[in-house]
Amino acid sequence: GAGVSQSPSNKVTEKGKDVELRCDPISGHTALYWYRQSLGQGLEFLIYFQGNSAPDKSGLPSDRFSAERTGGSVSTLTIQRTQQEDSAVYLCASSLTGDSPLHFGNGTRLTVT
Amino acid sequence: GNSVTQMEGPVTLSEEAFLTINCTYTATGYPSLFWYVQYPGEGLQLLLKATKADDKGSNKGFEATYRKETTSFHLEKGSVQVSDSAVYFCALSEGGSQGNLIFGKGTKLSVKP
Repeated sequence: GAGVSQSPSNKVTEKGKDVELRCDPISGHTALYWYRQSLGQGLEFLIYFQGNSAPDKSGLPSDRFSAERTGGSVSTLTIQRTQQEDSAVYLCASSLTGDSPLHFGNGTRLTVT
Repeated sequence: GNSVTQMEGPVTLSEEAFLTINCTYTATGYPSLFWYVQYPGEGLQLLLKATKADDKGSNKGFEATYRKETTSFHLEKGSVQVSDSAVYFCALSEGGSQGNLIFGKGTKLSVKP
């Protein structure tokens, strides 16, 4: 596809369950980012992958959050034992290099009941 | 720490009106500054950027000037159109990556015909 693809677009889960969110970046983009947008808040940086380097995990809010990027392409953000405060829109972005503009996906809206 | 503050919305204007969306920042170093826009139903996309003091970013009739003395990066457009209705986010990044961004909370703009 032409853009960054995220799935699912919407996810409703019960408190305490684990969820996985998927991001397909633009082909050839070496950098991939995850952000979170909570209601009434700005976008919050979560994690950054650049090529084969160790990811920058400085934005992950707790050890319940983890992400991986397999083969330098698709990324999965996993939230374990979800809490209601995890409800937000999770955005993925990719860029050609770490210095290039970001291209965002449409996000996954997560609702924890 | 670094932060971005932008004017609260929503902002409602008539077509052809002048637009200003204020943005100020706090940063320890010399950040790059950005405006991102999110049109209804679409992902965030870069609108314009400036990487050093006194630079002016421009795109689609929008402009913003990097003012170090006032730590500001206000977005302006001389004559808005209905198609400019969107949410606008001011952001900054420090260091080499354009992706480890700190965003403002966003300002929703509605333009009426």
